Order: sequence, then structure tokens, then C-alpha cells
Amino acid sequence: QSALTQPPSASGSPGQSVTISCTGTSSDVGGYNYVSWYQQHPGKAPKVIIYEVSKRPSGVPDRFSGSKSGNTASLTVSGLQAEDEADYYCSSYAGSNNPVLFGGGTKLTVL
Amino acid sequence: QITLKESGPTLVKPTQTLTLTCTFSGFSLSTNGMGVGWIRQPPGKALEWLALIYWDDDKRYSPSLKSRLTITKDTSKNQVVLTVTNMDPVDTATYYCAHTEYYSGAYCFDYWGQGTLVTVSS
Repeated sequence: QSALTQPPSASGSPGQSVTISCTGTSSDVGGYNYVSWYQQHPGKAPKVIIYEVSKRPSGVPDRFSGSKSGNTASLTVSGLQAEDEADYYCSSYAGSNNPVLFGGGTKLTVL
Repeated sequence: QITLKESGPTLVKPTQTLTLTCTFSGFSLSTNGMGVGWIRQPPGKALEWLALIYWDDDKRYSPSLKSRLTITKDTSKNQVVLTVTNMDPVDTATYYCAHTEYYSGAYCFDYWGQGTLVTVSS
């Protein structure tokens, strides 16, 4: 099964909002509400920032929000800050035989 | 507090079998709902999920690598072991283990190890 599709890059100025998309199919993103988003800074392990489409783990700022429409999930970062510059990965449940499918990642640059 | 740490060889030769151990604390894999997964990331590339094992010994594997992967758990030692057979240079990557909870944030990895870089070269 192919990886979920994310734009390779995104950017925004401090204070602005940016949205990153994650496109799959009805067999993964569109079929289940198990979409997660991870933030990864260079040389560090990924950190979950959104799970089950729109839930935020404790400690994650509410500047990060998630949503889903059809086969596409989205991560919105509002009020961009310099520390938001990182790689972002989406993942989705894709059935019992392939429970975790990652996207190709998006490099977010804060201008 | 949940922590995980990967250990294993940093260099393996092509065709060899890689054995990685994830040693964790702060939870038990005998507790209902707990799980540990393995994810890898080639240098400069995206994350790739490899395998997952749950408290009830339910095991799941990436379809593209299933024939080469084996995941096991040792509940008494708080360890999960991943073996990858027939290693190839394209398997060079940082290998992460991570915690998941089936009944809360299913299929989401909420705690990660620091990762271990494995290089495949003769």
C-alpha cells in the first residue's frame, strides 16, 4: 500500500497560519478516524501532536489543530512560531493487515 | 513516566540478520491495551512503520516487509525484540521503538525511544 500523500514543503511567517494536507484513500484516511500527526525536529524522535483526527495530547499547544474531510486530513498550525519549524508526518490506520501507514512528510519553514 | 530505549548493532553486513531490542519502563506489556511498535527512518527520508505487538501477543507487520520481520515480547524483562532478516544497504535507517495504547489513541505512538542508527555495509 502506498504512503499517504503530503506536500514536501510548507511555509509561513511568524504569527500566520499554515495548513498541511495528508491525502489517502477510502481504505485508510477516509475510512477511519485514526489519523495522527507527528512533529519531528532535526536529530530528534517524532512527537505526536494530534491523534484520532483532532485530539491533542496533554501539553500540545492549542495552536495545533487537526481535521478531516473525505480522504484528506489536515493539520493547521496557527500563530506560527519559530520553534514550529520541523518536519511533520501524518499517519492513518489502514486496516487490520496494515494498521499504521505514514505520509511522506512535510518540511515546515517559518520565514 | 514511560521511557523506551533501543539497542543493537550499529553496523551489519548485507544478508545478515538484524536483532534490535527495545527496553521500556513505566508500563507493562501484560496490561490490557498496551502495545509497542517499531518504526524506521532512512537518512533524510520519511518514517516507515514496521511491526506492532500488543499485550495479548497480537502481532502485526508491514505487508511489504512481512516475510523478513519477526516481533516478540518478553514481559518479565520489559523488552520487545525485532528481527529483520536478509539485511540490505537500503535498510540503513534509524530504528525507533514506540509505545501505543489500543483503547486510547489507537494506532498512535505517544512515547518514542531515541532511535538507533543501523548501517548496512560490507
